[in-house]
Amino acid sequence: KNEVEQSPQNLTAQEGEFITINCSYSVGISALHWLQQHPGGGIVSLFMLSSGKKKHGRLIATINIQEKHSSLHITASHPRDSAVYICAVRSIGGGADGLTFGKGTHLIIQP
Amino acid sequence: DAGITQSPRYKITETGRQVTLMCHQTWSHSYMFWYRQDLGHGLRLIYYSAAADITDKGEVPDGYVVSRSKTENFPLTLESATRSQTSVYFCASSALQGDTQYFGPGTRLTVL
Repeated sequence: KNEVEQSPQNLTAQEGEFITINCSYSVGISALHWLQQHPGGGIVSLFMLSSGKKKHGRLIATINIQEKHSSLHITASHPRDSAVYICAVRSIGGGADGLTFGKGTHLIIQP
Repeated sequence: DAGITQSPRYKITETGRQVTLMCHQTWSHSYMFWYRQDLGHGLRLIYYSAAADITDKGEVPDGYVVSRSKTENFPLTLESATRSQTSVYFCASSALQGDTQYFGPGTRLTVL
């Protein structure tokens, strides 16, 4: 079973700070997902990546397959970025049930 | 275009009762999933479906039943609800295997 660990579990920062959230996993994967869960509970997919780096607005996701590690960065953080960020991986050979989720990082951005 | 919807959004029931949570998507996605989310755990897969009439167990299927007679609907039934099934339930869909998953708004279920 692929274990997914996220750090930190909780993070409080000031508006404008550069934020990094980390995700490590234990076995080979075919893809890694970053998700955002809003305070109201809704979950949206931010990125799906299998190599390299992706950028969308102020969000950047990177992955190092050899080190089994991914990071999610937020530049110029804003209070509206406050949410739980969830990492999920699809193991190599995994079927439709292959996604394993981390427990999430609770981010609070203070004005 | 509603996307993916769940009903009810909130449900309180009693131990032993049967409860059905509904999930409907308008994209004709092949894959659909049911997850539960509990404090201290990440999202955990209950059941998934690759197409109409094809379903399979996930990580925590005990006490749950699913069906998928139509592509757009994927109901989840708790045959005899237990307190341990108190949770927030999310339905999701994706067009392709391993693709981006789109989540419904969730159903908060309380079993007394």
